[in-house]
Amino acid sequence: DQQVKQNSPSLSVQEGRISILNCDYTNSMFDYFLWYKKYPAEGPTFLISISSIKDKNEDGRFTVFLNKSAKHLSLHIVPSQPGDSAVYFCAASTTSGTYKYIFGTGTRLKVLA
Amino acid sequence: GAVVSQHPSWVICKSGTSVKIECRSLDFQATTMFWYRQFPKQSLMLMATSNEGSKATYEQGVEKDKFLINHASLTLSTLTVTSAHPEDSSFYICSASNQPTGSPLHFGNGTRLTVT
Repeated sequence: DQQVKQNSPSLSVQEGRISILNCDYTNSMFDYFLWYKKYPAEGPTFLISISSIKDKNEDGRFTVFLNKSAKHLSLHIVPSQPGDSAVYFCAASTTSGTYKYIFGTGTRLKVLA
Repeated sequence: GAVVSQHPSWVICKSGTSVKIECRSLDFQATTMFWYRQFPKQSLMLMATSNEGSKATYEQGVEKDKFLINHASLTLSTLTVTSAHPEDSSFYICSASNQPTGSPLHFGNGTRLTVT
């Protein structure tokens, strides 16, 4: 049972344009969400997070949007740069009960120069 | 801050031997450490959660006798893959946290295990 899903395994975007990565979840108990960036043979690097009390959080070129009713979140990268090319994972957790983070299947982003 | 170091970064071992992977939090005390496994082109699968000084909590389907986890101090957790087999070949990643829930996890750089 995949509680966190990223339905697009890959995405290609032109440099300077917007990259939009999507993530869906099924567990309504999730109330804290994160995006990580990962290069091959390395551990994930934290990018940005959002609590369920918000619907938007922005940090530089990265913005995360949360739609609780749709159980959907997205990561926007504007403008996209070649160095953004990596695999992006969304993750979800609950701030009560069992303390663990569940990861999505990842989206490979390729930013074309 | 919040640096997690994992060692070794890669290891090759023969079938039937055991391999120990170390995870250290370098600049903070990690009350909780998580061990993940990643198969090629797949998600990070949570294997177990360990709290300092107590037994690890394993996810369903993960054999606790095969993947021994020790969290003896607030800065060190170890994962031992016992009697390794080729199907145990994978990328193992640890993460640590010193915060209550609702804060990011910090990850090590992972260990590529190849069992021949």
